[in-house]
Amino acid sequence: EPEVTQTPSHQVTQMGQEVILRCVPISNHLYFYWYRQILGQKVEFLVSFYNNEISEKSEIFDDQFSVERPDGSNFTLKIRSTKLEDSAMYFCASSFRGVNTEAFFGQGTRLTVV
Amino acid sequence: DAKTTQPPSMDCAEGRAANLPCNHSTISGNEYVYWYRQIHSQGPQYIIHGLKNNETNEMASLIITEDRKSSTLILPHATLRDTAVYYCIVRGDLYNQGGKLIFGQGTELSVKP
Repeated sequence: EPEVTQTPSHQVTQMGQEVILRCVPISNHLYFYWYRQILGQKVEFLVSFYNNEISEKSEIFDDQFSVERPDGSNFTLKIRSTKLEDSAMYFCASSFRGVNTEAFFGQGTRLTVV
Repeated sequence: DAKTTQPPSMDCAEGRAANLPCNHSTISGNEYVYWYRQIHSQGPQYIIHGLKNNETNEMASLIITEDRKSSTLILPHATLRDTAVYYCIVRGDLYNQGGKLIFGQGTELSVKP
């Protein structure tokens, strides 16, 4: 069964460093998303991406964040200068169409900023 | 903000049906009701979705009231592996709301032997 894969599963980084979280969406999917979940809190929407551009972003997704689909298969989230409060699980999701098709989530990357 | 209201927790006996309610009184005509669940800190898992008709798949059934202001997710024969947080989500049109999923706090379902 096709699945969304994320790498790495766990990343530890020092405050101020740049990190790139990687996702391989399901191959025929067209819509891509990043979410995060701080420990003990709810899942929060960060950004949606369609047709090689951001279609919507939340207020969390500030200038420190960027997304890219560099090669038609990977979908990345970059955090330019990490802060302690960026520590969270980051989930990638993809869907074939928008509202009337299910979005499938990856297993997440646990980011720990020290 | 989430547009749904769910009880924070529920218990269910193993082998019995689990009925998880959700209120979405401000849902608009083009918005779908989605259900996901999350086991521990794993990625959310899709369960089912619907617009106005009742839906059933291999995992669950979704009953949506005629006025669409509430719905119920039914797990027909709950097992211990169904213990998870269940999220009811109203999902809007891509071009108005980005097709994003807005998660609330969900219902923590505990299936007990």
